[in-house]
Amino acid sequence: QKEVEQDPGPLSVPEGAIVSLNCTYSNSAFQYFMWYRQYSRKGPELLMYTYSSGNKEDGRFTAQVDKSSKYISLFIRDSQPSDSATYLCAMTFGGGYQKVTFGIGTKLQVIP
Amino acid sequence: EAQVTQNPRYLITVTGKKLTVTCSQNMNHEYMSWYRQDPGLGLRQIYYSMNVEVTDKGDVPEGYKVSRKEKRNFPLILESPSPNQTSLYFCASSPQGNYGYTFGSGTRLTVV
Repeated sequence: QKEVEQDPGPLSVPEGAIVSLNCTYSNSAFQYFMWYRQYSRKGPELLMYTYSSGNKEDGRFTAQVDKSSKYISLFIRDSQPSDSATYLCAMTFGGGYQKVTFGIGTKLQVIP
Repeated sequence: EAQVTQNPRYLITVTGKKLTVTCSQNMNHEYMSWYRQDPGLGLRQIYYSMNVEVTDKGDVPEGYKVSRKEKRNFPLILESPSPNQTSLYFCASSPQGNYGYTFGSGTRLTVV
């Protein structure tokens, strides 16, 4: 079993839809959770990070962490064609331990 | 412009011929890391560094070497490349690794 599970998709939605992207993980020691966006032939770009459980909002993006269920989500409101990309979740244990574990990424297509 | 610069962007080499992929960041970041990205496997951490002369192994360190002699540079060395090291490589840096990384544009390596 992988430490971090993420549905690779692809996920196709119409423009303006609310998108929900999710990851589950098996190691309860993960403390920091990140979401990256990766366009084709580009490096990943950090969207948001959260510490422990709770919600964090940044514009049209909301990150949610439920540590009791070992489940994290990224919501995109009013999705745009420019949001079409692969979304990667990532997590770390915190402290000085810098090992980063990524999900495989979910490919999202927003159709105009 | 704040960035992580990798060189070369594309490289084709033969089995066993030593090569170095350079990485430089201009943000005075403490943390730097190397990843490889493969279809179906996602991003996997090769090595990371928490400061000058401080490095540690990630998930897939076999066949790779790194050094951190200066804060801004973190080269990846393949002493004897093999075809299974054909991949897309990313260098990344962070002021504090748990809050996410800034990635370079990637190096596509083919070993024949």
